[in-house]
Amino acid sequence: QVQVVEFGGGLVKPGGSLRLSCAASGFTFSDYYMSWIRQAPGKGLEWVSYISSRGSIIKYADSVKGRFTISRDNAKNSLYLQMNSLRAEDTAMYHCAGGYNSHAFDFWGQGTMVTVSS
Amino acid sequence: QTVVTQEPSFSVSPGGTVTLTCGLSSGSVSASHYPSWYQQTPGQSPRTLIYNTNTRPSGVPDRFSGSILGNKVALTITGAQADDESDYYCVLYMGSGIWVFGGGTKLTVL
Repeated sequence: QVQVVEFGGGLVKPGGSLRLSCAASGFTFSDYYMSWIRQAPGKGLEWVSYISSRGSIIKYADSVKGRFTISRDNAKNSLYLQMNSLRAEDTAMYHCAGGYNSHAFDFWGQGTMVTVSS
Repeated sequence: QTVVTQEPSFSVSPGGTVTLTCGLSSGSVSASHYPSWYQQTPGQSPRTLIYNTNTRPSGVPDRFSGSILGNKVALTITGAQADDESDYYCVLYMGSGIWVFGGGTKLTVL
């Protein structure tokens, strides 16, 4: 069945960097667009970034533009999020999610927690 | 700055019907926003309830339905059950690979 598992979260100091990964299985990864979506503690969901199925189109929310970089390796069925210049307000659970042709998020991972604190 | 609006909270009696809405701070929601709805219980990842305004993924009960309601989009739950008590999020596709989530509605069943 469709499964995506995120990892790479942790505690990092303000200004630091972290790289998140999302491992996909149970579907043809290269056919699906993918996104990162985050949720700060006690808050709502926030779309962070999008990458098309082949990686040719990439978009970011204004809140992370210039600091975060999304990428994917279809040969490894993996999605990544490089996060630089981290701020306290980036503290959140980060989910990877994807879709095929729905303009929606057909499946979600359980998430990996990122905490930015000194 | 696009803001997607949702009721912060709502309550419904067991067996009752409730309609949650999702709108735009400026303008109308339409099918071209490919509205989708997600259910999230505490500590869990979101579950897709509705996509493309009114399409249910397999496994989602037909108690959940989506529609356009005036200048907003709506999620209607009929025959509410105790385990429908969750947070509900709508998200609108703004085009070119950009989405905006609403702030979520906390639904209480009592």
